[in-house]
Formats: sequence, structure tokens, C-alpha cells
Amino acid sequence: AQSVTQPDIHITVSEGASLELRCNYSYGATPYLFWYVQSPGQGLQLLLKYFSGDTLVQGIKGFEAEFKRSQSSFNLRKPSVHWSDAAEYFCAVDTLTGNQFYFGTGTSLTVIP
Amino acid sequence: ETGVTQTPRHLVMGMTNKKSLKCEQHLGHNAMYWYKQSAKKPLELMFVYNFKEQTENNSVPSRFSPECPNSSHLFLHLHTLQPEDSALYLCASSQITGAEAFFGQGTRLTVV
Repeated sequence: AQSVTQPDIHITVSEGASLELRCNYSYGATPYLFWYVQSPGQGLQLLLKYFSGDTLVQGIKGFEAEFKRSQSSFNLRKPSVHWSDAAEYFCAVDTLTGNQFYFGTGTSLTVIP
Repeated sequence: ETGVTQTPRHLVMGMTNKKSLKCEQHLGHNAMYWYKQSAKKPLELMFVYNFKEQTENNSVPSRFSPECPNSSHLFLHLHTLQPEDSALYLCASSQITGAEAFFGQGTRLTVV
């Protein structure tokens, strides 16, 4: 069965520090991959996506993610975190077998001064 | 503003009430979705509509009844809900498979 794993339930970083959020997927072929961010009480906003080509993708708000086929991973990174980045982050895959996205359980990010 | 609007934003209803959630998208997308988001759980896909036809129903109880009158509008009719149905209900839309989903801000539902 397809699955998306975000092993870190909660991460705390200092403002200005670098950030990496992990995502692993379980699927036979390479799916389409996404990272979304959710602020409290809000819907999900797309940060970036990977369909094919360059395995390092750039997104909004200074985020980037790298697809590693050998590790079935799509980790999200940011070189310098801002207090406004505090939110819930979700990794998602589209397996291309019907309109269906699979989401991870999310990683909650806290940013401390 | 994502182009997907959900109303109401908040809803409190008793277990014997009947209410409806509404979703509207202005993006010209062909697929629309209902998700349920509960604390500490992955987003649960409830229903998928593709070109107004329901293509997925992930074992959702019959007390949730979707309706898609056209490709821009999606409803979720609720009746005789249980307290465990309290959650954030998110609507999303996308083009056909392979494109990202755009989400509404959600309806925070509380069943009392």
C-alpha cells in the first residue's frame, strides 16, 4: 500500500537556524511529490512540487526540497528559518492512479527567538 | 486566497441536526475533494469528484453525503453526526491527475 512517512512529529529550531523536514514515501514508481504548509486554523498552501527533471526544486518562502530516488525521500529544507515559518508541514504524494493524494501525518514546527 | 472558498468557516451542530458544508472553486478545475483533518491523524480523503462524477468514496459513513452539482461547486451534507466527527473539513480542487491540489481554508465542525 502507498504511504507517506514524516518521522518527526514536532521540531523546534531557533530563528535564523537551518531546517530540514523529512519525508519518505512507499510506492513502486516515482510519484508526484508535494510539500504543503498549514498555519493554525487555515487550509493547506502549496510550498513546492516535484514532477520530473531536476531533483532539487525551489519553492515559495525560501524553501527547497530534494528528491532522492534511492532513498524514496523528499526532504524539505530552508537555510535560515523565520519566526513566521512556525506552522504544520505536510508531505504528500500523487500516485498518478486517479485523483488521489496521500498525506503524511505532518510535522509541527516551532521557531524560538 | 487560493481560489477555493469554503463556507461556513465554523459550525457547531447537535447530533440530530442537518447541515451542509459548501465549497466553491474559481480555478476552472475538473476535480474536487473533501478531506477530514483530525488532530494527530493524517488527512483523510473522503470523496473525490472528477468532472462532476464521484470517483472515490473511502468508506465514509452514510451520515456524510456529498453532492457536486457542477464542476465549480461541492457540498457535504451532514446528518445525525457523532461527536467523533468533530474535525476540520477541507475542500480542495485540482486539474486531472498530476497537478497540485488547491485547498480552501476549511470548516471547523464541532458536534455537540
